[in-house]
Amino acid sequence: SQQGEEDPQALSIQEGENATMNCSYKTSINNLQWYRQNSGRGLVHLILIRSNEREKHSGRLRVTLDTSKKSSSLLITASRAADTASYFCATEDNYGQNFVFGPGTRLSVLP
Amino acid sequence: DGGITQSPKYLFRKEGQNVTLSCEQNLNHDAMYWYRQDPGQGLRLIYYSQIVNDFQKGDIAEGYSVSREKKESFPLTVTSAQKNPTAFYLCASTQKFSSGRLYRGELFFGEGSRLTVL
Repeated sequence: SQQGEEDPQALSIQEGENATMNCSYKTSINNLQWYRQNSGRGLVHLILIRSNEREKHSGRLRVTLDTSKKSSSLLITASRAADTASYFCATEDNYGQNFVFGPGTRLSVLP
Repeated sequence: DGGITQSPKYLFRKEGQNVTLSCEQNLNHDAMYWYRQDPGQGLRLIYYSQIVNDFQKGDIAEGYSVSREKKESFPLTVTSAQKNPTAFYLCASTQKFSSGRLYRGELFFGEGSRLTVL
């Protein structure tokens, strides 16, 4: 059962621009996480936001969470070519049983 | 260095063969997971284990089997019953308990194993 859905599926921007990706989910969550995956590699954790938080920052990353709309957004500011990757949101349910991933957003940052 | 090691990185299988993918972690994590990723797709959960000698089926467990005899190890066997096994397989782990309390944190992933059926 897929819970997270990222939007858009693919995004292409110029270096220096901001990139915004959205994630929607269906059920109650304890936390929502964002991961990055370079082509052919494992996923790397970027940031975790808990259900009682509304916004969180980490370097050039800004994540928001709206539990009333069951949605989250990831903003990457001043993008670089090295930010080119797929980005996934994942939710952990309230029972702490497992994590559910969305299909991801493929970000291309053009130099 | 602490982390998760998956092996082999690339694996080729003939139809009708079982193959086993290795996943070892030295992070002292309680929970371990196996995910399958198809091209351009998200991750789908195959099996997960929150404690030694116990594991649960995920969304796509048919044709796969696992064991958790040691905390550090969670091997995945892709059996001949799996009709379309060609995919990228990812193992992950996370800490579930800290000081006896439920701990919620991030997943740590291995670098993946790419399985191709010939």
